[in-house]
Amino acid sequence: AQSVTQPDIHITVSEGASLELRCNYSYGATPYLFWYVQSPGQGLQLLLKYFSGDTLVQGIKGFEAEFKRSQSSFNLRKPSVHWSDAAEYFCASMIKAAGNKLTFGGGTRVLVKP
Amino acid sequence: DTEVTQTPKHLVMGMTNKKSLKCEQHMGHRAMYWYKQKAKKPPELMFVYSYEKLSINESVPSRFSPECPNSSLLNLHLHALQPEDSALYLCASSQDRAGRDEQFFGPGTRLTVL
Repeated sequence: AQSVTQPDIHITVSEGASLELRCNYSYGATPYLFWYVQSPGQGLQLLLKYFSGDTLVQGIKGFEAEFKRSQSSFNLRKPSVHWSDAAEYFCASMIKAAGNKLTFGGGTRVLVKP
Repeated sequence: DTEVTQTPKHLVMGMTNKKSLKCEQHMGHRAMYWYKQKAKKPPELMFVYSYEKLSINESVPSRFSPECPNSSLLNLHLHALQPEDSALYLCASSQDRAGRDEQFFGPGTRLTVL
């Protein structure tokens, strides 16, 4: 069975500082990987996805993520955070054998200090 | 149109009431999903419809009854709910390509069961 782990429950970062959110997946083969963001009381918005190819993926809102097969990781980064980046971030995976079923990590809440 | 819409935005119901949640998309997607999300938790998959047929039921209690009248519309009928069913209910849709399938989420319906 596949699983996704986000080791950090909360991260606090100063506005303008860089941000890195960790994500590890557990599955024999490479799953398809996603990062979603959720503002309070809102739905989920897709930031970026990795299916294959270039391991550095660019997304919306200035985010990027790097797939590292050797570490089973798909970490999300942003060089300079804005106050509006305060939200909950979910890493998720999908494997072909499971059809369309997304497996989510537990989420990381990002707080931005002025 | 790249939106998934959900109505109502908020719903308060008693344990003996019958109500319905509605979800709509006009992106030509052939898969639609219901998720339940409790506070500070990731979304949990409830149901998946693929080409208007129920393909996944994650052992959801029968007091939740999904319906997919056509490829653009998804309903969730609620009856005799319990207070622990209070949550954010998210709808999503996708093109239905096993694995390489990004899901688009609606803003959710905040349900409170009294």
